[in-house]
Amino acid sequence: DVKVTQSSRYLVKRTGEKVFLECVQDMDHENMFWYRQDPGLGLRLIYFSYDVKMKEKGDIPEGYSVSREKKERFSLILESASTNQTSMYLCASSSDREMGEQYFGPGTRLTVT
Amino acid sequence: DAKTTQPPSMDCAEGRAANLPCNHSTISGNEYVYWYRQIHSQGPQYIIHGLKNNETNEMASLIITEDRKSSTLILPHATLRDTAVYYCIVRARNSGNTPLVFGKGTRLSVIA
Repeated sequence: DVKVTQSSRYLVKRTGEKVFLECVQDMDHENMFWYRQDPGLGLRLIYFSYDVKMKEKGDIPEGYSVSREKKERFSLILESASTNQTSMYLCASSSDREMGEQYFGPGTRLTVT
Repeated sequence: DAKTTQPPSMDCAEGRAANLPCNHSTISGNEYVYWYRQIHSQGPQYIIHGLKNNETNEMASLIITEDRKSSTLILPHATLRDTAVYYCIVRARNSGNTPLVFGKGTRLSVIA
């Protein structure tokens, strides 16, 4: 079974804190994604990586950065958390051969106070 | 990517087949139909995808009409654990970094 794990299910941070969200996949997938999901807005792509040390901006990259030093790990960084970054964050991975077949982690519900 | 239209909600009795429709009348020749579902408070789960032939796996069957303008996801024996929002997505198979576009989906309620 494909397994995508995320470091925390729930996280509470204060405004201005630096936040790290970690994602690990065990299927040797080339591609990894970070989405956020908000009521009424659906899933929105923040960043995407198609190879180690490679990244591409998604629809809403402002306020976020990412790091992919190893193939299995993709980190999302909130440099200075703000209340409008309170959301559900979802990591996903896919192979190059089947990019539409994405496997998601359980999500991290981040609250910024 | 082509747009899709799904009913906002459906009910299904436990043990019966759940048939979830999706219209995608503007689908182009290289676009596949993907189905995902999202159980409350979990990440989306890939179910199945197809191009023009019917597909079946351990989770579901996908029936695509001959003109490819619509499709139906079939859960043959729905259980309470199948209660979720089901998303139909049309996308070219390897369209680079374009994200999956999840619309509003169909909220399926399986009733005991």
